[in-house]
Amino acid sequence: QQKVQQSPESLIVPEGGMASLNCTFSDRNSQYFWWYRQHSGEGPKALMSIFSNGDKKEGRFTAHLNKASLHVSLHIKDSQPSDSALYFCAVSRGSGTYQRFGTGTKLQVVP
Amino acid sequence: NAGVIQTPRHKVTGKGQEATLWCEPISGHSAVFWYRQTIVQGLEFLTYFRNQAPIDDSGMPKERFSAQMPNQSHSTLKIQSTQPQDSAVYLCASRNTGVGTEVFFGKGTRLTVV
Repeated sequence: QQKVQQSPESLIVPEGGMASLNCTFSDRNSQYFWWYRQHSGEGPKALMSIFSNGDKKEGRFTAHLNKASLHVSLHIKDSQPSDSALYFCAVSRGSGTYQRFGTGTKLQVVP
Repeated sequence: NAGVIQTPRHKVTGKGQEATLWCEPISGHSAVFWYRQTIVQGLEFLTYFRNQAPIDDSGMPKERFSAQMPNQSHSTLKIQSTQPQDSAVYLCASRNTGVGTEVFFGKGTRLTVV
């Protein structure tokens, strides 16, 4: 069964700093990768997707995928207090399957 | 677009009672998912419908849990004889057809079994 692990469990970064979140998965047939953010009392909201090896940048957010290493990461540049939330990576084998979520990273951005 | 709507937002049931949770997916979305979120287990997949047909219920506890999608505008998750370990936030999500399309989550129903 696919295992999706995230590290670190929690992370504190200063405002304006860089936050780096990691996710490893176990199923080499995984094809679709998403990063979600969840604020307290809300459901997870998709931040960005990445389907090909390499980097993908959207504004302050950059995702990196290395399927051979079974690793995907998210980097948040110029972190803001509003970025404080729970972050999940989600992995699926195909477009017709469900996403399996990682264990989550709690990010706190301090002024 | 009001997003995925889940009702009620909070529900308290006594041990052994039945709980029914409701989900209204985004209009036009063909896939509906149910997940359960707890501190200990994180976000766990429960079940998935596509075009109202059950596709994958591999995450559903075999006893006491059932899900239905009687029409394209709503889905229900029913838990019979609720137990304290069923206490969790139950999340419904929907997405459109297409490769790698975005999944939209509701705000969840917090179920507390006392």
